[in-house]
Amino acid sequence: NAGVTQTPKFQVLKTGQSMTLQCAQDMNHEYMSWYRQDPGMGLRLIHYSVGAGITDQGEVPNGYNVSRSTTEDFPLRLLSAAPSQTSVYFCASSYSQGGGYEQYFGPGTRLTVT
Amino acid sequence: DAKTTQPNSMESNEEEPVHLPCNHSTISGTDYIHWYRQLPSQGPEYVIHGLTSNVNNRMASLAIAEDRKSSTLILHRATLRDAAVYYCILRYGGSQGNLIFGKGTKLSVKP
Repeated sequence: NAGVTQTPKFQVLKTGQSMTLQCAQDMNHEYMSWYRQDPGMGLRLIHYSVGAGITDQGEVPNGYNVSRSTTEDFPLRLLSAAPSQTSVYFCASSYSQGGGYEQYFGPGTRLTVT
Repeated sequence: DAKTTQPNSMESNEEEPVHLPCNHSTISGTDYIHWYRQLPSQGPEYVIHGLTSNVNNRMASLAIAEDRKSSTLILHRATLRDAAVYYCILRYGGSQGNLIFGKGTKLSVKP
């Protein structure tokens, strides 16, 4: 299994540009989520999904959109990039949203917005 | 979400055991105790989780207090590769079990 994969690894955007961060998992996990991590900080939850066609907001959803058309993929869209969105973005998946299951994380995408 | 309290930082010597504490006095009966770690420039990595009983796996042991208001992650022999930020997180056992990260404990390992 490849686990959780994310592309691209690095990205530089200009203010106002849009882009999509890709996330895929091959473990048939129902639950997927996106986090951002600012320098020296812990991870903050952006959006999550408990299955195909179902998404919900986390702690910091503003400026981001998600959709879940398949079990495997959970892309994160930045609608109009701002310097405040400069961060490292992590995607994660878990068999279920329930507490008894561990969560697996991708390697991250480092995004810089100038 | 129930919160956890961890020391900001800890130091250990290589090849010695490390005990990382976590307080979670407002834990509910359905909250699982999860531990993750994050090595520099990497994504978080699952370490261990438990509900009521102590747990062991190839990476670590989790000791849970009888009243469940605190827990301790035990690394039996620290290596330089164990230097990381360790996060103790309560994950609700029901259908809203998002992982909410705090600041964690930064563990330094000295050779």
